[in-house]
Amino acid sequence: QQQVKQSPQSLIVQKGGISIINCAYENTAFDYFPWYQQFPGKGPALLIAIRPDVSEKKEGRFTISFNKSAKQFSLHIMDSQPGDSATYFCAASTSYSGGSNYKLTFGKGTLLTVNP
Amino acid sequence: DTAVSQTPKYLVTQMGNDKSIKCEQNLGHDTMYWYKQDSKKFLKIMFSYNNKELIINETVPNRFSPKSPDKAHLNLHINSLELGDSAVYFCASSWTGQRDEKLFFGSGTQLSVL
Repeated sequence: QQQVKQSPQSLIVQKGGISIINCAYENTAFDYFPWYQQFPGKGPALLIAIRPDVSEKKEGRFTISFNKSAKQFSLHIMDSQPGDSATYFCAASTSYSGGSNYKLTFGKGTLLTVNP
Repeated sequence: DTAVSQTPKYLVTQMGNDKSIKCEQNLGHDTMYWYKQDSKKFLKIMFSYNNKELIINETVPNRFSPKSPDKAHLNLHINSLELGDSAVYFCASSWTGQRDEKLFFGSGTQLSVL
């Protein structure tokens, strides 16, 4: 059972273009939605995150749009650069067994290629 | 001064062998994790430990045994390795006192079972 569905699987964008990656979730208990960026041979690193009480969060060229009623969120990369080429993972977090520990569930990832 | 370090980076071994992967974090975090990333890049949590106590065990075969000697270390021992265990294993850590659940990942251990 895939709790966080991510699309597309791969994306090719020209330099300067906008990259958009979408995620959808079912579990309404999720209350924290991060995006992680992974370069080849490295571990994932947190890029940007949002909580469901806001509809948008922007950090530099990266923006998360969040639609609570649709249970969807997306990552927009403005003015995409070749250095943005990486695998992007959306994720969702909820408390584990009602305690103070939290469990992060990842989407399947999107391989972004930005052509020069 | 790597934040989350895991060793070895590459591990090539035969089916049936036993191997261990070590992980250490110097961030002062209280929670550590093991994630498995398969050939399709899917990241799945295996275990998490909070202050040396097992918190999450995601239906991982009992051939996998994590051990946390202290909150800065979380090792993963795998018995009787199988072909399907080939993957990249990532250690991660976080501070549960912060409700942003930011995970810091190591660079991964690529395990190849022949």
